[in-house]
Amino acid sequence: GQQVMQIPQYQHVQEGEDFTTYCNSSTTLSNIQWYKQRPGGHPVFLIQLVKSGEVKKQKRLTFQFGEAKKNSSLHITATQTTDVGTYFCAINDYKLSFGAGTTVTVRA
Amino acid sequence: EAQVTQNPRYLITVTGKKLTVTCSQNMNHEYMSWYRQDPGLGLRQIYYSMNVEVTDKGDVPEGYKVSRKEKRNFPLILESPSPNQTSLYFCASSLDRGQETQYFGPGTRLLVL
Repeated sequence: GQQVMQIPQYQHVQEGEDFTTYCNSSTTLSNIQWYKQRPGGHPVFLIQLVKSGEVKKQKRLTFQFGEAKKNSSLHITATQTTDVGTYFCAINDYKLSFGAGTTVTVRA
Repeated sequence: EAQVTQNPRYLITVTGKKLTVTCSQNMNHEYMSWYRQDPGLGLRQIYYSMNVEVTDKGDVPEGYKVSRKEKRNFPLILESPSPNQTSLYFCASSLDRGQETQYFGPGTRLLVL
């Protein structure tokens, strides 16, 4: 099945700063989903991107799907302690294939 | 409340002792699946089911069995657990197998000694 690589694996962020996590594939993707997993919790769906070049925003989170539909990014502005957790991208063809995730910690 | 439930939440067992992790959803979802989560590997799909009596292998099915006799339930069976099956397991469901969000259960942490 299709695979995605996520970078970076870990992201240590000063509270108030911005950061971006990336999801890359060698093949064209039909769609991409993003999930967040809080420490000790379960993955929770954030958003799905389907169209080339699509950009969607959820408050301080901005999700983008690349023009070639081979990569995606999640940008968080003004990081807060509530942003702590692991962010996964996933491809939803007939099964869900997850990237390894970016684990975010925040320094207050 | 719409939810996916799993039991047990925590389990310690010994090698070779058969166990079942139950999963149930109350959203009338057709599609259900099992994942295991290991550090640095993300979530990997074990088995999935597109409807009652229809199941198929995911990426890491070895050592696991599933059944889907009812729409709401999708138990994961480890006939002879081994230490390499120590992991965090999640059940998930969605309306169908298409481009729909999946709802995850709370997870089952399994330790096989």
